[in-house]
Amino acid sequence: KNQVEQSPQSLIILEGKNCTLQCNYTVSPFSNLRWYKQDTGRGPVSLTIMTFSENTKSNGRYTATLDADTKQSSLHITASQLSDSASYICVVSENDMRFGAGTRLTVKP
Amino acid sequence: DVKVTQSSRYLVKRTGEKVFLECVQDMDHENMFWYRQDPGLGLRLIYFSYDVKMKEKGDIPEGYSVSREKKERFSLILESASTNQTSMYLCASRRQNYNEQFFGPGTRLTVL
Repeated sequence: KNQVEQSPQSLIILEGKNCTLQCNYTVSPFSNLRWYKQDTGRGPVSLTIMTFSENTKSNGRYTATLDADTKQSSLHITASQLSDSASYICVVSENDMRFGAGTRLTVKP
Repeated sequence: DVKVTQSSRYLVKRTGEKVFLECVQDMDHENMFWYRQDPGLGLRLIYFSYDVKMKEKGDIPEGYSVSREKKERFSLILESASTNQTSMYLCASRRQNYNEQFFGPGTRLTVL
């Protein structure tokens, strides 16, 4: 069983709308949690990173939250744009990195 | 900016062929990684290397080998390709003791 579970698997929203992606993990202890964005045909690129003591981190229209007690993280995207269409991958690091399967987001005009 | 390049974006090979996937990074990073990415499974670590001539097995090393003769280059070798090795292969590098990995664009390998 994957130690990092993401939901939903896929999501379609209209341009300008907000959305929230979820990540639940069982990796424990962990040193940090990172969200990556992966455009089609490209490698993942880091969006945000949070240590276990942080509970929110923003990067422009992207805001990640972390609840270390419930072992949940979310990535909130505000005022979505067509360029937000991508897969978003949650990665939990301890001594090694554990990857979620990703959420495929499609933003339609 | 860190740049990680992979030798091919798309590759089609036949069962039983020997396949080489090359990865080069230009930031003098000590650590390099090879992953495969399959739908619904996320990235899975095949092999990694802490430094030149060093290699460690990841979670799914069977059917693969690696070579790290130079610091900037990390090669993944499929000795005898099989259809279940059809996948997206991603290379990454990172500076020793830093957490962030930088990924290449990926190689989509199809084994017929």
